[in-house]
Amino acid sequence: DGGITQSPKYLFRKEGQNVTLSCEQNLNHDAMYWYRQDPGQGLRLIYYSQIVNDFQKGDIAEGYSVSREKKESFPLTVTSAQKNPTAFYLCASNGGSRDGEQFFGPGTRLTVL
Amino acid sequence: GQSLEQPSEVTAVEGAIVQINCTYQTSGFYGLSWYQQHDGGAPTFLSYNALDGLEETGRFSSFLSRSDSYGYLLLQELQMKDSASYFCAVRIAMDTGRRALTFGSGTRLQVQP
Repeated sequence: DGGITQSPKYLFRKEGQNVTLSCEQNLNHDAMYWYRQDPGQGLRLIYYSQIVNDFQKGDIAEGYSVSREKKESFPLTVTSAQKNPTAFYLCASNGGSRDGEQFFGPGTRLTVL
Repeated sequence: GQSLEQPSEVTAVEGAIVQINCTYQTSGFYGLSWYQQHDGGAPTFLSYNALDGLEETGRFSSFLSRSDSYGYLLLQELQMKDSASYFCAVRIAMDTGRRALTFGSGTRLQVQP
């Protein structure tokens, strides 16, 4: 079955530690995205990548970093510079066949203690 | 920048019809998408309108008026399982020229028996 996987589902970290969230897709999609969602809010774009070895900052990139070394993988690192990292993080991909359709992973709920 | 407006909450009864409106202000507009998200889950794609008019998919329909910067999602024959948050999202050209989605804050739909 094709899809997007994110791990882990729940993650706890101490303040000041960097943490990397995993996102893998086997849909053969070129474009991948990272969003942050706070309780009762919409999704805000952190970073996006249209192709391997290329990525751009979204609306709230400060305190985050990404890499895109493989088409299937788009890991997100939440650094200690991110002031309020506790949130629900969602990874998505788009294959271009239907422009406005993105496929989402199950999300990682990060809590910084 | 971009802005999207949609009602924060809507309540309806089982079997009824409900319309969720979305108005937007943005540049580089390509189209309007709708997503459904159940509590604790990931968003799932419902529809995408690039051209003016009505798109129908089963019990759900979506409408777009580009001249009015307005769209809506119409849910018919409401079922209890339709209780969820619904997000409109505009497909836009970012500063990089690449395309991405900007999401609204979401409308929480409660379906009552």
